[in-house]
Amino acid sequence: GAGVSQSPRYKVAKRGQDVALRCDPISGHVSLFWYQQALGQGPEFLTYFQNEAQLDKSGLPSDRFFAERPEGSVSTLKIQRTQQEDSAVYLCASSLGAGSGDEQFFGPGTRLTVL
Amino acid sequence: QKEVEQNSGPLSVPEGAIASLNCTYSDRGSQSFFWYRQYSGKSPELIMFIYSNGDKEDGRFTAQLNKASQYVSLLIRDSQPSDSATYLCAVNILYFGNEKLTFGTGTRLTIIP
Repeated sequence: GAGVSQSPRYKVAKRGQDVALRCDPISGHVSLFWYQQALGQGPEFLTYFQNEAQLDKSGLPSDRFFAERPEGSVSTLKIQRTQQEDSAVYLCASSLGAGSGDEQFFGPGTRLTVL
Repeated sequence: QKEVEQNSGPLSVPEGAIASLNCTYSDRGSQSFFWYRQYSGKSPELIMFIYSNGDKEDGRFTAQLNKASQYVSLLIRDSQPSDSATYLCAVNILYFGNEKLTFGTGTRLTIIP
């Protein structure tokens, strides 16, 4: 079956532009997570959805970051007025059960470069 | 102190030898522990998870957990060049009532043919 997919795979934005990153989780997976991975670092938690409910957004670095999963499937991470420090790989992961105790399956990531 | 700590390496191991990767974590209440492998430019993939104290073996991989010492390790036997990657330790840590999967910075492993 299909795994987690993300688009676009690469995004170059000028400082101040808004960007939208899409995640298609594995069908039927209840939980969806967004992570930010800087070069040479491990993924850092951003936000968590259980179906359409955003249960934890404590990892979002500023109010310029916004995520949604309106129908409990596809999710979008939006970054407004991008800054150079937003440059990173944004990873989406999904898991079958609720919470973060189950295996999480990662998508290929979106590499965002802010010039 | 970071919540999950790993030696960043690089760790070089001859082909056929045992590679030993270590991780410590700060939250005594953590219940779920994972090892992910990440090839350069790729996304993390799960190779082992462990919930109980002791050893868990899967093929050439053994995960070891010691909750009293807040220590989890990964052993790779008969190391192969294809094992060369960054290995991420991840621990479910409770933050203000919510559990988050928290990753270490990763250990870069190189298997020398």
